[in-house]
Amino acid sequence: GQQVMQIPQYQHVQEGEDFTTYCNSSTTLSNIQWYKQRPGGHPVFLIQLVKSGEVKKQKRLTFQFGEAKKNSSLHITATQTTDVGTYFCAGDNAGNMLTFGGGTRLMVKP
Amino acid sequence: DTEVTQTPKHLVMGMTNKKSLKCEQHMGHRAMYWYKQKAKKPPELMFVYSYEKLSINESVPSRFSPECPNSSLLNLHLHALQPEDSALYLCASSQGVGGGYTFGSGTRLTVV
Repeated sequence: GQQVMQIPQYQHVQEGEDFTTYCNSSTTLSNIQWYKQRPGGHPVFLIQLVKSGEVKKQKRLTFQFGEAKKNSSLHITATQTTDVGTYFCAGDNAGNMLTFGGGTRLMVKP
Repeated sequence: DTEVTQTPKHLVMGMTNKKSLKCEQHMGHRAMYWYKQKAKKPPELMFVYSYEKLSINESVPSRFSPECPNSSLLNLHLHALQPEDSALYLCASSQGVGGGYTFGSGTRLTVV
């Protein structure tokens, strides 16, 4: 079945430093989605990427979808304490189901 | 209304109990999902309903029984659960294939 790997599992950064999480799928995806889950919270949809090579920005967050539509990344510039949480990528193989990566837990030291 | 509402927020049940989790959305979404999430793990898909019909069952044990009474409601009936079933149960909805999911805040279930 489809597998989605995400690295790193954990990342500690000093406030103001940049952060990147990477996602790799074992199969070609129709789209990839990113979610953020705060401690004690539920996943919140951030963005969906559909096109090969697509790049989207949301303020300090930059999302990329690979040319082969099998990998993706999320980059946060100048992290803030409000960025704390676990970031999940989730691959959609057009079968009406998302497969979540293992998540990257981001901790930000003020 | 842009929310998915789940009740109850917390539930403690014995292994012989029968209980139900409820989920409601009024966004007109045609797909609804049940996910199970253990601590420090990603959500794992359990069931998918599309246009009120069960379209995916990810080999979930029969002690979990989903039900979709109408396009806005999704239930998960629980019976004879095991302690290892303790987890956060998340309901989600989406407009259909290829759309972002809106998750509810979940039901934190403890089986004793």
